[in-house]
Amino acid sequence: DTGVSQDPRHKITKRGQNVTFRCDPISEHNRLYWYRQTLGQGPEFLTYFQNEAQLEKSRLLSDRFSAERPKGSFSTLEIQRTEQGDSAMYLCASSPTGANQPQHFGDGTRLSIL
Amino acid sequence: EDKVVQSPLSLVVHEGDTVTLNCSYEVTNFRSLLWYKQEKKAPTFLFMLTSSGIEKKSGRLSSILDKKELFSILNITATQTGDSAVYLCASFSQGGSEKLVFGKGTKLTVNP
Repeated sequence: DTGVSQDPRHKITKRGQNVTFRCDPISEHNRLYWYRQTLGQGPEFLTYFQNEAQLEKSRLLSDRFSAERPKGSFSTLEIQRTEQGDSAMYLCASSPTGANQPQHFGDGTRLSIL
Repeated sequence: EDKVVQSPLSLVVHEGDTVTLNCSYEVTNFRSLLWYKQEKKAPTFLFMLTSSGIEKKSGRLSSILDKKELFSILNITATQTGDSAVYLCASFSQGGSEKLVFGKGTKLTVNP
Protein backbone atom coordinates (compact mmCIF):
# COMPACT_ATOMS: atom_id res chain seq x y z
CA ASP A 1 0.00 0.00 0.00
CA THR A 2 1.44 3.41 -0.93
CA GLY A 3 -0.80 5.66 1.15
CA VAL A 4 0.31 8.33 3.59
CA SER A 5 2.27 6.77 6.44
CA GLN A 6 2.66 8.27 9.91
CA ASP A 7 4.87 7.22 12.80
CA PRO A 8 4.40 6.61 15.66
CA ARG A 9 0.72 5.72 15.84
CA HIS A 10 0.52 6.61 19.51
CA LYS A 11 2.72 8.74 21.74
CA ILE A 12 2.32 9.16 25.49
CA THR A 13 4.60 11.63 27.18
CA LYS A 14 4.88 13.79 30.26
CA ARG A 15 4.15 17.49 30.19
CA GLY A 16 7.23 19.48 29.31
CA GLN A 17 8.85 16.84 27.13
CA ASN A 18 9.60 17.27 23.43
CA VAL A 19 8.01 14.99 20.85
CA THR A 20 8.61 14.46 17.13
CA PHE A 21 6.29 12.86 14.59
CA ARG A 22 7.12 11.66 11.11
CA CYS A 23 5.01 11.63 7.94
CA ASP A 24 5.80 9.89 4.65
CA PRO A 25 3.49 11.18 1.89
CA ILE A 26 2.27 9.33 -1.19
CA SER A 27 5.44 9.14 -3.28
CA GLU A 28 4.38 11.23 -6.27
CA HIS A 29 2.76 13.99 -4.16
CA ASN A 30 4.61 17.30 -3.90
CA ARG A 31 2.36 18.85 -1.26
CA LEU A 32 2.29 17.79 2.35
CA TYR A 33 -0.03 19.10 5.09
CA TRP A 34 -0.27 18.81 8.87
CA TYR A 35 -3.59 19.05 10.72
CA ARG A 36 -4.61 18.60 14.34
CA GLN A 37 -7.90 16.99 15.39
CA THR A 38 -9.46 16.93 18.85
CA LEU A 39 -12.47 14.90 19.96
CA GLY A 40 -15.71 16.00 18.35
CA GLN A 41 -14.02 18.46 16.01
CA GLY A 42 -12.96 18.42 12.39
CA PRO A 43 -9.25 18.60 11.54
CA GLU A 44 -7.64 22.04 11.97
CA PHE A 45 -4.92 23.14 9.57
CA LEU A 46 -1.43 23.63 10.99
CA THR A 47 0.96 24.02 8.06
CA TYR A 48 1.72 22.96 4.49
CA PHE A 49 4.75 22.33 2.29
CA GLN A 50 5.24 22.36 -1.43
CA ASN A 51 8.35 20.23 -1.91
CA GLU A 52 10.74 21.47 0.80
CA ALA A 53 9.24 24.96 1.07
CA GLN A 54 6.88 25.70 3.96
CA LEU A 55 4.30 27.92 2.26
CA GLU A 56 1.59 28.40 4.86
CA LYS A 57 1.39 28.31 8.66
CA SER A 58 -1.65 28.63 10.90
CA ARG A 59 -1.88 31.00 13.85
CA LEU A 60 -2.41 27.76 15.82
CA LEU A 61 1.23 26.87 15.19
CA SER A 62 2.85 28.49 18.24
CA ASP A 63 6.59 28.89 18.55
CA ARG A 64 6.71 25.53 20.34
CA PHE A 65 5.74 23.82 17.08
CA SER A 66 8.11 23.39 14.16
CA ALA A 67 7.75 21.42 10.97
CA GLU A 68 10.35 20.51 8.39
CA ARG A 69 10.51 18.75 5.06
CA PRO A 70 14.22 18.98 4.31
CA LYS A 71 14.44 16.96 1.10
CA GLY A 72 10.91 17.42 -0.11
CA SER A 73 9.95 13.86 0.78
CA PHE A 74 9.10 12.95 4.40
CA SER A 75 8.23 15.60 6.97
CA THR A 76 8.63 15.91 10.74
CA LEU A 77 6.52 17.85 13.20
CA GLU A 78 8.16 18.67 16.53
CA ILE A 79 6.41 19.98 19.62
CA GLN A 80 8.69 21.39 22.31
CA ARG A 81 7.77 21.70 26.00
CA THR A 82 4.47 19.87 25.53
CA GLU A 83 1.37 21.09 27.36
CA GLN A 84 -1.88 19.33 28.30
CA GLY A 85 -3.66 21.19 25.51
CA ASP A 86 -1.41 19.58 22.91
CA SER A 87 -3.20 16.25 23.41
CA ALA A 88 -4.82 15.52 20.05
CA MET A 89 -4.61 13.45 16.88
CA TYR A 90 -2.00 14.85 14.50
CA LEU A 91 -2.91 14.09 10.91
CA CYS A 92 -0.70 14.33 7.86
CA ALA A 93 -2.05 14.57 4.33
CA SER A 94 -0.56 14.86 0.86
CA SER A 95 -1.70 15.87 -2.59
CA PRO A 96 -0.31 16.44 -6.07
CA THR A 97 0.51 19.97 -7.21
CA GLY A 98 -2.28 21.74 -9.07
CA ALA A 99 -5.56 23.45 -8.42
CA ASN A 100 -8.34 21.66 -6.55
CA GLN A 101 -6.45 18.52 -5.64
CA PRO A 102 -8.04 16.39 -2.89
CA GLN A 103 -5.84 15.77 0.13
CA HIS A 104 -5.26 12.18 1.19
CA PHE A 105 -4.76 11.54 4.89
CA GLY A 106 -2.67 9.18 6.95
CA ASP A 107 -3.97 7.37 10.04
CA GLY A 108 -2.53 9.99 12.34
CA THR A 109 -0.42 10.07 15.48
CA ARG A 110 -2.40 10.22 18.71
CA LEU A 111 -0.57 12.30 21.32
CA SER A 112 -1.47 12.00 24.99
CA ILE A 113 0.14 14.33 27.53
CA LEU A 114 0.21 13.08 31.11
CA GLU B 1 -13.14 34.04 8.72
CA ASP B 2 -14.04 31.05 6.55
CA LYS B 3 -16.58 28.71 8.07
CA VAL B 4 -18.07 25.28 7.33
CA VAL B 5 -21.11 24.12 9.29
CA GLN B 6 -22.52 20.61 9.23
CA SER B 7 -25.87 19.31 10.39
CA PRO B 8 -27.01 17.27 12.09
CA LEU B 9 -24.03 16.61 14.35
CA SER B 10 -25.32 13.14 15.11
CA LEU B 11 -27.76 10.78 13.43
CA VAL B 12 -28.97 7.26 14.29
CA VAL B 13 -30.80 5.22 11.67
CA HIS B 14 -31.71 1.62 10.90
CA GLU B 15 -30.15 -0.44 8.16
CA GLY B 16 -31.88 0.23 4.85
CA ASP B 17 -32.82 3.83 5.67
CA THR B 18 -31.81 6.73 3.42
CA VAL B 19 -29.96 9.64 5.03
CA THR B 20 -29.14 13.18 3.98
CA LEU B 21 -26.22 15.03 5.55
CA ASN B 22 -25.97 18.80 5.23
CA CYS B 23 -23.03 21.15 4.84
CA SER B 24 -23.18 24.94 4.53
CA TYR B 25 -20.18 27.16 3.95
CA GLU B 26 -19.04 30.77 4.07
CA VAL B 27 -15.76 30.98 2.18
CA THR B 28 -14.21 33.92 0.40
CA ASN B 29 -13.46 33.11 -3.26
CA PHE B 30 -14.86 29.60 -2.96
CA ARG B 31 -13.18 26.93 -5.08
CA SER B 32 -14.33 23.45 -4.10
CA LEU B 33 -16.11 21.49 -1.41
CA LEU B 34 -14.93 18.05 -0.31
CA TRP B 35 -16.55 15.19 1.59
CA TYR B 36 -14.60 12.69 3.67
CA LYS B 37 -15.56 9.59 5.66
CA GLN B 38 -13.73 9.03 8.93
CA GLU B 39 -13.98 5.75 10.76
CA LYS B 40 -11.48 5.15 13.55
CA LYS B 41 -8.50 6.49 11.68
CA ALA B 42 -7.75 8.50 8.54
CA PRO B 43 -10.40 10.60 6.81
CA THR B 44 -11.02 8.88 3.47
CA PHE B 45 -11.76 11.09 0.47
CA LEU B 46 -15.25 10.61 -1.02
CA PHE B 47 -16.10 13.50 -3.37
CA MET B 48 -14.93 16.90 -4.51
CA LEU B 49 -17.57 19.29 -5.87
CA THR B 50 -16.71 22.37 -7.87
CA SER B 51 -19.74 23.11 -10.02
CA SER B 52 -23.33 23.70 -8.96
CA GLY B 53 -26.00 21.17 -9.78
CA ILE B 54 -23.73 18.36 -10.97
CA GLU B 55 -24.26 15.22 -8.92
CA LYS B 56 -21.28 13.10 -8.00
CA LYS B 57 -22.13 9.46 -7.38
CA SER B 58 -20.30 6.43 -6.05
CA GLY B 59 -22.40 3.36 -5.36
CA ARG B 60 -24.99 4.24 -2.73
CA LEU B 61 -23.41 7.61 -2.00
CA SER B 62 -24.11 10.78 -3.92
CA SER B 63 -23.47 14.46 -3.39
CA ILE B 64 -24.43 17.76 -4.96
CA LEU B 65 -23.41 21.39 -4.56
CA ASP B 66 -25.52 24.56 -4.63
CA LYS B 67 -23.20 27.57 -5.04
CA LYS B 68 -26.05 30.06 -4.97
CA GLU B 69 -27.33 28.91 -1.57
CA LEU B 70 -23.82 27.93 -0.36
CA PHE B 71 -24.51 24.37 0.68
CA SER B 72 -23.96 20.76 -0.22
CA ILE B 73 -25.69 17.52 0.69
CA LEU B 74 -24.42 13.99 0.95
CA ASN B 75 -27.00 11.25 0.42
CA ILE B 76 -26.59 7.64 1.42
CA THR B 77 -29.27 5.22 0.26
CA ALA B 78 -29.97 1.73 1.64
CA THR B 79 -27.62 2.34 4.58
CA GLN B 80 -25.52 -0.51 5.95
CA THR B 81 -23.79 -0.90 9.31
CA GLY B 82 -20.49 -0.31 7.51
CA ASP B 83 -21.64 3.22 6.72
CA SER B 84 -21.34 4.08 10.41
CA ALA B 85 -18.68 6.80 10.59
CA VAL B 86 -18.12 10.52 10.95
CA TYR B 87 -18.71 12.32 7.67
CA LEU B 88 -16.63 15.47 7.28
CA CYS B 89 -17.25 18.35 4.92
CA ALA B 90 -14.41 20.74 4.01
CA SER B 91 -13.67 23.67 1.74
CA PHE B 92 -10.47 25.18 0.45
CA SER B 93 -9.98 28.46 2.27
CA GLN B 94 -9.84 31.86 0.61
CA GLY B 95 -8.84 31.78 -3.01
CA GLY B 96 -5.28 30.57 -3.45
CA SER B 97 -4.83 28.89 -0.06
CA GLU B 98 -4.38 25.12 0.00
CA LYS B 99 -5.67 24.96 3.56
CA LEU B 100 -8.85 22.94 4.08
CA VAL B 101 -11.42 24.28 6.54
CA PHE B 102 -13.46 21.45 8.03
CA GLY B 103 -16.84 21.29 9.69
CA LYS B 104 -17.28 19.40 12.94
CA GLY B 105 -18.63 16.37 11.13
CA THR B 106 -21.83 14.35 11.28
CA LYS B 107 -21.59 11.16 13.30
CA LEU B 108 -23.76 8.55 11.58
CA THR B 109 -24.71 5.36 13.38
CA VAL B 110 -26.48 2.65 11.40
CA ASN B 111 -28.11 0.01 13.58
CA PRO B 112 -28.89 -3.49 12.27
